[in-house]
Amino acid sequence: NAGVTQTPKFRVLKTGQSMTLLCAQDMNHEYMYWYRQDPGMGLRLIHYSVGEGTTAKGEVPDGYNVSRLKKQNFLLGLESAAPSQTSVYFCASRNPLGGYSGANVLTFGAGSRLTVL
Amino acid sequence: AQTVTQSQPEMSVQEAETVTLSCTYDTSENNYYLFWYKQPPSRQMILVIRQEAYKQQNATENRFSVNFQKAAKSFSLKISDSQLGDTAMYFCAFMASFASAGDMRFGAGTRLTVKP
Repeated sequence: NAGVTQTPKFRVLKTGQSMTLLCAQDMNHEYMYWYRQDPGMGLRLIHYSVGEGTTAKGEVPDGYNVSRLKKQNFLLGLESAAPSQTSVYFCASRNPLGGYSGANVLTFGAGSRLTVL
Repeated sequence: AQTVTQSQPEMSVQEAETVTLSCTYDTSENNYYLFWYKQPPSRQMILVIRQEAYKQQNATENRFSVNFQKAAKSFSLKISDSQLGDTAMYFCAFMASFASAGDMRFGAGTRLTVKP
């Protein structure tokens, strides 16, 4: 059981380049999330999805786009990367109907470190 | 909007001793969930413990326990018999309610170092 898998794990971009981070989960979770982690700021929500074909903005959505064409995949795109987007990105998922032990618990991927020069 | 505050950016403890990490939150909600996540140097986020606000009994998981004070909006984590493997960043998190898909907030984190 792989859980939540993020690719790539590391990436270096030049300002203005574009890229896509892929998140895949094999737990049949309805909800999926993209967070960014910066020193001293914890995790901040970029975008999230409550099901296939749906997306919504989080706290810090500017400069990012997302898509959820398949239930198991959630893509995070940067159309024109900026140095301010240098961060560690985490994908997470959860099952809102997971029962007492599973509901509302986020399962995280291993993170993707992105550096924008 | 809900906010989560961890007032201790860094802490250290001697191996086998007990340490308490603080967390406070601000909300007008009555039903919510609180979590502590651990992030070791591997960067993986790991759930340590969870508390439902409607429960008065404090959650425990082996060496980890919480002190949940709903009126004071406080949710501290106690680690007993600290081990070297407990060295990590610890994040407190708040989720407003079962139906709030996007409403989960994290604190800035506390970096805990367990010294041999």
